[in-house]
Amino acid sequence: GQNIDQPTEMTATEGAIVQINCTYQTSGFNGLFWYQQHAGEAPTFLSYNVLDGLEEKGRFSSFLSRSKGYSYLLLKELQMKDSASYLCAASDSNYQLIWGAGTKLIIKP
Amino acid sequence: NAGVTQTPKFRILKIGQSMTLQCTQDMNHNYMYWYRQDPGMGLKLIYYSVGAGITDKGEVPNGYNVSRSTTEDFPLRLELAAPSQTSVYFCASSIRDSAYEQYFGPGTRLTVT
Repeated sequence: GQNIDQPTEMTATEGAIVQINCTYQTSGFNGLFWYQQHAGEAPTFLSYNVLDGLEEKGRFSSFLSRSKGYSYLLLKELQMKDSASYLCAASDSNYQLIWGAGTKLIIKP
Repeated sequence: NAGVTQTPKFRILKIGQSMTLQCTQDMNHNYMYWYRQDPGMGLKLIYYSVGAGITDKGEVPNGYNVSRSTTEDFPLRLELAAPSQTSVYFCASSIRDSAYEQYFGPGTRLTVT
């Protein structure tokens, strides 16, 4: 079956760094997405990886290892506004997105 | 550009009633999607469309219907509402298939009692 696993909840301190992990099992693979979702709002796109390696975009970076079925989202210099859920999603061979349940990130001052 | 818009924002239905959730996008995207999001669960695809006149079932289509008569509009119809359909519904669009960024509407919070 197809599956995405990510931690349910994480806590970090303002100004620190946090890494949110995601493992996936899909029938075929056409890329890995990270979305941010603030409470009561819609998901918004953060990053897309299809090749192995690290993609950096400001304070956020995303890493992919296709051979391990593994990705992580790295958030640096955490700010209170980064408190949100982070959704991992993989595109399968039919170009359908398989979504994880999301990781709720709590930032403490 | 307004992006993806959805109406209504909130709705309470009685069991057995029907309703249509509206979704419109102004980005000229070919692909459109309907998802539901339940607490503690990932987004589940209900239906999707790859262009006007073409729709297909996603993972959880039972109890729902869609149509796509124009590029802009992708309404979702609930027939004979059931408590299991209580959820938050998101419409999304993308320029191409799911290997491309999806743009989401603000969501409709539906309660069936």
